[in-house]
Amino acid sequence: QQQVKQSPQSLIVQKGGISIINCAYENTAFDYFPWYQQFPGKGPALLIAIRPDVSEKKEGRFTISFNKSAKQFSLHIMDSQPGDSATYFCAASRTGNQFYFGTGTSLTVIP
Amino acid sequence: GAGVSQSPSNKVTEKGKDVELRCDPISGHTALYWYRQSLGQGLEFLIYFQGNSAPDKSGLPSDRFSAERTGGSVSTLTIQRTQQEDSAVYLCASSLGRTENYGYTFGSGTRLTVV
Repeated sequence: QQQVKQSPQSLIVQKGGISIINCAYENTAFDYFPWYQQFPGKGPALLIAIRPDVSEKKEGRFTISFNKSAKQFSLHIMDSQPGDSATYFCAASRTGNQFYFGTGTSLTVIP
Repeated sequence: GAGVSQSPSNKVTEKGKDVELRCDPISGHTALYWYRQSLGQGLEFLIYFQGNSAPDKSGLPSDRFSAERTGGSVSTLTIQRTQQEDSAVYLCASSLGRTENYGYTFGSGTRLTVV
């Protein structure tokens, strides 16, 4: 059973546009929701994370929007750049337990 | 070291052979995780070590898979009698132990190919 569902599988965005990746979860006990960025040949790297007590978190061009009642959260990349081209994974965890990852979104930003 | 180190970076093995994959976590990180990433797939949880507690082995796909962590630091993932479906990138991650505050730091992985 997929604990975290992620969409879309792939995404193509023009430079300067907004990239939006969505995730949904089922387990209401999850209390930590990170996003990871992975470049080819590298391990995933933590990008930004949110806890369910806030509805939005922004770090530079990256924003997480969190909807607790809908059990959904999304990553918004503003002013997308070619260097943002990577695979993005959402995840969810309950305190002290392992992360459950989405299946990933391959983002391509066209110059 | 500054990051999580995994070795080897690539491993090609014949079907039926045993393999050992190594992970050196960040010094001081008490939690260590193994994940498997298959082509085009997400990250599949395998096993979790936290300090001196008994490991969470709930993600190991079969009894051919085992892992140990010696001295609370280095970890070895062993796959016995490898099968072609074991081909994947095996990722190790470590954290300070409170996932909600620190997240994981991943290594670059070991790409395993079973031929």
